[in-house]
Amino acid sequence: KQEVTQIPAALSVPEGENLVLNCSFTDSAIYNLQWFRQDPGKGLTSLLLIQSSQREQTSGRLNASLDKSSGRSTLYIAASQPGDSATYLCAVRSAGTASKLTFGTGTRLQVTL
Amino acid sequence: DTGVSQDPRHKITKRGQNVTFRCDPISEHNRLYWYRQTLGQGPEFLTYFQNEAQLEKSRLLSDRFSAERPKGSFSTLEIQRTEQGDSAMYLCASSSDRHTDTQYFGPGTRLTVL
Repeated sequence: KQEVTQIPAALSVPEGENLVLNCSFTDSAIYNLQWFRQDPGKGLTSLLLIQSSQREQTSGRLNASLDKSSGRSTLYIAASQPGDSATYLCAVRSAGTASKLTFGTGTRLQVTL
Repeated sequence: DTGVSQDPRHKITKRGQNVTFRCDPISEHNRLYWYRQTLGQGPEFLTYFQNEAQLEKSRLLSDRFSAERPKGSFSTLEIQRTEQGDSAMYLCASSSDRHTDTQYFGPGTRLTVL
C-alpha cells in the first residue's frame, strides 16, 4: 500500500526566503507525482505534475524535483511572498492504479512580513 | 473552460438524513474522481469514473455511499443515513486521458452532520 509523508508539517519563514518542502513515498512504482496548493476551506490548486520519467518541473518561482528510486520529491519555492501562505500537498499516482492519487497530510506554510 | 464546479458548497444535515452532492467536471474531461478530506488530513480517494463507467471504489465507500455519472458528464455522490463521522469536505476532480492526467479539483462540498 502506497504511503506518502510530508515533512515538515508546518513551516514559518520571513518574506523573501527560499524554502524547500519535502515529500516521500514508500512504493517507487509510480506513474506521476503532483504538487497542490490548498487555501483554508478551499479546494486544491494544481501547481506542478512530474511524470515518472522526469527529474524536475518548473513553473515561475516553483521547482519540483523527483527521485523515484529513493521515493522522494521536493518543492522549492524561491523568494517567498505572503501570498504563498497555504497548505502544500504532495500526491502520487501509483503504477497500475486507475488514476487515483494518494496524498500526504501536507505542509502548512506561513510567510511573514 | 470554467473549471470543476460543485454544488452545494456547504451542507448541514441531521444524523440519519440522506444527502446528495453534484460535481460538474471540466467539459470534455472523461475522468472524474471523488475524494474525502477531514481536518488536518490529505484527501482520500473514494471512487473514479471513466466516462460513465465506475472503474474503482475505495473500501472507504461503504454501502451507504453511492456515486453515479449517468451520461459521462456530471456526477452525483449520495450518502444515505448520514453519521457524524461522515462530516468532511467532499472534493471532486477531473482529468483527461488525452493530456498529462493532471487532476483539477473543484472547491469542494463541506458536509456537517449534527
